[in-house]
Amino acid sequence: EAQVTQNPRYLITVTGKKLTVTCSQNMNHEYMSWYRQDPGLGLRQIYYSMNVEVTDKGDVPEGYKVSRKEKRNFPLILESPSPNQTSLYFCASNGAGGDNEQFFGPGTRLTVL
Amino acid sequence: GESVGLHLPTLSVQEGDNSIINCAYSNSASDYFIWYKQESGKGPQFIIDIRSNMDKRQGQRVTVLLNKTVKHLSLQIAATQPGDSAVYFCAESETDSWGKLQFGAGTQVVVTP
Repeated sequence: EAQVTQNPRYLITVTGKKLTVTCSQNMNHEYMSWYRQDPGLGLRQIYYSMNVEVTDKGDVPEGYKVSRKEKRNFPLILESPSPNQTSLYFCASNGAGGDNEQFFGPGTRLTVL
Repeated sequence: GESVGLHLPTLSVQEGDNSIINCAYSNSASDYFIWYKQESGKGPQFIIDIRSNMDKRQGQRVTVLLNKTVKHLSLQIAATQPGDSAVYFCAESETDSWGKLQFGAGTQVVVTP
């Protein structure tokens, strides 16, 4: 089954404790992206990647890091989480060209105390 | 900065009627537009996309209209069903491949019996 998986689905942590949210896709997609979703603000792009070792900042990259060492994985790293990073995070992927259908993961609910 | 927005935050539609969801964008360089549907507790789901060289595109029960003159995008859902109840987002990009995307805040569609 074609899918994007994220782990963990729910996480409660404390300020300053480094964390990583994993994202994996099994569709051999070139493009992957991370978004955060906050009430009234819609989805805001954090980082995106056009292929292995190629990443770029989205609209709200501050406080986040990403890496794309393998095509299928695109982890989101919060080196020192702060309460304003409490949000719902989505990973997404799609292939280059074609119908550009984007596949989103199920989301990760992060709470930073 | 440039942004994508929606006219109506909530749309109530009677089952069987047609729905029209509107979206205004301000970036004149945008040339690729997407509509997403997000059901409660799930990630966004791709509905339909349109490129700036088109003004209309049809899918199954959905039609997207693009008016570049007034920078307006709409999604029409024919014969709205209870399963269409969700939040709908428009998104735009300056490239015709999926990279840096900007989303609107979303419109909640409520289908009443």
